[in-house]
Amino acid sequence: ETGVTQTPRHLVMGMTNKKSLKCEQHLGHNAMYWYKQSAKKPLELMFVYNFKEQTENNSVPSRFSPECPNSSHLFLHLHTLQPEDSALYLCASSTGGLAGGGYNEQFFGPGTRLTVL
Amino acid sequence: GQNIDQPTEMTATEGAIVQINCTYQTSGFNGLFWYQQHAGEAPTFLSYNVLDGLEEKGRFSSFLSRSKGYSYLLLKELQMKDSASYLCASMDSNYQLIWGAGTKLIIKP
Repeated sequence: ETGVTQTPRHLVMGMTNKKSLKCEQHLGHNAMYWYKQSAKKPLELMFVYNFKEQTENNSVPSRFSPECPNSSHLFLHLHTLQPEDSALYLCASSTGGLAGGGYNEQFFGPGTRLTVL
Repeated sequence: GQNIDQPTEMTATEGAIVQINCTYQTSGFNGLFWYQQHAGEAPTFLSYNVLDGLEEKGRFSSFLSRSKGYSYLLLKELQMKDSASYLCASMDSNYQLIWGAGTKLIIKP
């Protein structure tokens, strides 16, 4: 595997279900990100991890719970979601802002298309 | 507040040139990124500008004016495969990317 991978690619869940999204990066990066992408809206940054430590949580509802066991893996645990949470969830990785000398190109995975019924 | 503005949709003809504009207001500035995103796929990096001026990379060029908070992406010799959304993003003082909503580019034969 190369780059950034995400599983599953598609997920349909009911509002009472619990599911998890998985992201893995094979680039040796230190920073990982979760984004939400809804139609015709800007990418919304949800969570940032630098060296496995969460450095950003952009007022995300508690029904989304991230987990970063190591610099290569990132999870997003989902429970009691709402229909408005239906979106494309993108994972990205980068060298990290300061470590990268300010050049912080982010590499994206293919995303998980989530539908909440 | 932080804000990125870019047109929602543009249409151009195969073989022509198109310019996609982006204006930004962010807390601090550490560079301007352009990404391409085909429908159903991940965004992929196109360009990065941190100094004023034009950066050319094959058929694609990107321009930055920091004093005006303005950038554009110039695509030449358009091909059908260039039909995609083009995302503008400004890196703020915390090295986080602030994204625009994207410009959907439609290429017609």
